[in-house]
Amino acid sequence: QKEVEQNSGPLSVPEGAIASLNCTYSDRVSQSFFWYRQYSGKSPELIMSIYSNGDKEDGRFTAQLNKASQYVSLLIRDSQPSDSATYLCAVRVGAGGTSYGKLTFGQGTILTVHP
Amino acid sequence: EPEVTQTPSHQVTQMGQEVILRCVPISNHLYFYWYRQILGQKVEFLVSFYNNEISEKSEIFDDQFSVERPDGSNFTLKIRSTKLEDSAMYFCARTGGGVEAFFGQGTRLTVV
Repeated sequence: QKEVEQNSGPLSVPEGAIASLNCTYSDRVSQSFFWYRQYSGKSPELIMSIYSNGDKEDGRFTAQLNKASQYVSLLIRDSQPSDSATYLCAVRVGAGGTSYGKLTFGQGTILTVHP
Repeated sequence: EPEVTQTPSHQVTQMGQEVILRCVPISNHLYFYWYRQILGQKVEFLVSFYNNEISEKSEIFDDQFSVERPDGSNFTLKIRSTKLEDSAMYFCARTGGGVEAFFGQGTRLTVV
């Protein structure tokens, strides 16, 4: 059973702080990694994708990938109350440039940013 | 890139009835997927569809489920005889033109 595990929440941070979300995966052949944000009652919204070891930055978001440790994380800098949502880690098995294949999701981490 | 459009947004059905959930692509996408999310649980893969054929399905996708693209446009998920445990959010997603998967807004299915 291929698993994706996320750090248990909920996670609460003050406005302006850095929120750190973590995810581990069990399938070593996993190649594509995604972070989705999901507001209550809404669909997952893609915020970051990463395929190579190291860091990838996009605005206030930084994704970090360590394939040797089977670990992927998301940092949110200058957290805002509007960042309050459930963050889903998703993993796809297959080559990094593959545009098909199912995603396996973690259970999500609830983030609350309080003013 | 735009997501796919799903209809209806909410469907209430009686146990044992058939339901059809629809997904309308915005443009010529290649790969389609159905996922579901039971309230409070993980997003789970159901089935992937490419070139008018199922390319992969999960153990959840049993004989009561089917998918098709009847008119070359709409992509449908049919549940033949709904059960209470089929109550969930059902999401259509697509890839194509990139690696990322984009989700539709979902259909909330309530089986009573």
